[in-house]
Amino acid sequence: GAVVSQHPSRVICKSGTSVKIECRSLDFQATTMFWYRQFPKQSLMLMATSNEGSKATYEQGVEKDKFLINHASLTLSTLTVTSAHPEDSSFYICSAVRLAGGQRQGKNIQYFGAGTRLSVL
Amino acid sequence: ILNVEQSPQSLHVQEGDSTNFTCSFPSSNFYALHWYRWETAKSPEALFVMTLNGDEKKKGRISATLNTKEGYSYLYIKGSQPEDSATYLCAFNTGRRALTFGSGTRLQVQP
Repeated sequence: GAVVSQHPSRVICKSGTSVKIECRSLDFQATTMFWYRQFPKQSLMLMATSNEGSKATYEQGVEKDKFLINHASLTLSTLTVTSAHPEDSSFYICSAVRLAGGQRQGKNIQYFGAGTRLSVL
Repeated sequence: ILNVEQSPQSLHVQEGDSTNFTCSFPSSNFYALHWYRWETAKSPEALFVMTLNGDEKKKGRISATLNTKEGYSYLYIKGSQPEDSATYLCAFNTGRRALTFGSGTRLQVQP
């Protein structure tokens, strides 16, 4: 099966520091990866779409300068939370779409990492 | 804004019970409905991708149905086991690549 590795699983940092989260597809190539965020008792909410070799597409209300996304290869996307503040404390999770020839993207299964719990003090 | 609702929010059943829960989604602009199973500290695991009205899918003791005209999907678990304890997420897709998730149904199966 397809495996997506997300690292770190948990991070605690001081306010004002930057935190980088990595998302890797281990056994398949992914031109598109997604970053979601989940606040307590809420749904997973899409933050941005990460496209290999091009700029990420951010959802409304998500600051692109605060949440830097880099998708430099077909197997790695990174999310950097810059100058983190306590309100950025949340659960961040990535997913990758496995390329499936002839299938439209909406039907493709997204493979998820296990998520990163960020706590900003 | 797309609204995907799941009910109930949580469910406690005894081992051997059969159970079901609901996902409601907009009936317009439907493209696909995904079900995921999410155990604590693990990655969400894809169960089903459903696209056609009337679809029924089965994986072991778990099955799902889809009604795109009225905008709902049911997930059924027959003879629940403790290892079925997890959060079950549904996600709606309009043809964009990203998914819109419900908040999940948390299932606890007591031995």
